[in-house]
Amino acid sequence: NAGVTQTPKFQVLKTGQSMTLQCAQDMNHEYMSWYRQDPGMGLRLIHYSVGAGITDQGEVPNGYNVSRSTTEDFPLRLLSAAPSQTSVYFCASSPSRVSGANVLTFGAGSRLTVL
Amino acid sequence: KQEVTQIPAALSVPEGENLVLNCSFTDSAIYNLQWFRQDPGKGLTSLLLIQSSQREQTSGRLNASLDKSSGRSTLYIAASQPGDSATYLCAVGVNNNDMRFGAGTRLTVKP
Repeated sequence: NAGVTQTPKFQVLKTGQSMTLQCAQDMNHEYMSWYRQDPGMGLRLIHYSVGAGITDQGEVPNGYNVSRSTTEDFPLRLLSAAPSQTSVYFCASSPSRVSGANVLTFGAGSRLTVL
Repeated sequence: KQEVTQIPAALSVPEGENLVLNCSFTDSAIYNLQWFRQDPGKGLTSLLLIQSSQREQTSGRLNASLDKSSGRSTLYIAASQPGDSATYLCAVGVNNNDMRFGAGTRLTVKP
């Protein structure tokens, strides 16, 4: 089925470890983004990309890296995990480079726990 | 900084009732406003997108309104059903590529 695929669905890390959350979409969407969702708070934008080779920071980028080498993939890297990065992470995509021009399609989420 | 608030945090209604979910935002200079539905353990599903120049959007039993001057949006759900039980999130577009989300209203529709 077409859509946004995130892996892994669950991950437990120790403080200081690094890992990559994968996001892939097969809809040829130009815009892709990563959000984190914490209890009692709205989703917050971490990083986004408006096309291959183009990335930019969102509201809470510290501690995370991204790259966009292909249209389909937008991985999120945690360089040195901290307990404050315990959260549910969502990847989203949109056909347009302007995210607000079209509805966002979200992945199912990746739940990360940092001990 | 744009702040988005959704009150109440939780709402329980009997099946068949018409209901209104509220969303307020602090800065009226918005790009657009979207309402999403989130089921437990799942991603978000976009329900309605209202552009800044629009006043409302309708889809089936759902109607969303936007009043930028007062910093408010409402999501009206007609003839609620148990399948409508979910968390509803409001998100305000602050520019071309960033949105501010509310914390959501958790709706329970009792049979």
